[in-house]
Amino acid sequence: KAGVTQTPRYLIKTRGQQVTLSCSPISGHRSVSWYQQTPGQGLQFLFEYFSETQRNKGNFPGRFSGRQFSNSRSEMNVSTLELGDSALYLCASGRTSGGYNEQFFGPGTRLTVL
Amino acid sequence: KNEVEQSPQNLTAQEGEFITINCSYSVGISALHWLQQHPGGGIVSLFMLSSGKKKHGRLIATINIQEKHSSLHITASHPRDSAVYICAVRATGNQFYFGTGTSLTVIP
Repeated sequence: KAGVTQTPRYLIKTRGQQVTLSCSPISGHRSVSWYQQTPGQGLQFLFEYFSETQRNKGNFPGRFSGRQFSNSRSEMNVSTLELGDSALYLCASGRTSGGYNEQFFGPGTRLTVL
Repeated sequence: KNEVEQSPQNLTAQEGEFITINCSYSVGISALHWLQQHPGGGIVSLFMLSSGKKKHGRLIATINIQEKHSSLHITASHPRDSAVYICAVRATGNQFYFGTGTSLTVIP
């Protein structure tokens, strides 16, 4: 079974631009979560989607948004990029196992904002 | 205030040593995860647990719900265990909170 794929793997943008990142979950998984990882803040939860609905959202400004499609693929969008948005963005595909949501992480997209 | 606290932040061990990483949390949880991150960024979920103890090879994870504490043990450590280990909790409100990670280096 193929793992979680994220595209692109690396991205360079300038302040003020917007960016869209893509995540394809493992086949059969219906939930996708997004995380931001920076050296200063560590890992932080962005949002979680399940069956095209946002189930949960972390404490990020409205510039960060996402969506999930009927085939479970997900995109996240960051508008009006700031230097502080430079980070590794990780997506995780989730399946329910024993009543709990087990997470499988993708390789991440490294975003650099200049 | 961090919802998840890990200790130690950095750990250096000789090959073969028994290693313990601790995690304390302050929120009600539905599950606790131990994650491993190697240089380059890839994250692997090692354990997901809500009670008791789980074992996988040389790795053991325990959780005490009453004390809001979990430990990750590595027996007979090996240089390939060198990585950052991250404790994460899924709160009962469905939010995820992460510890800052423990950077482990195992010296041959």
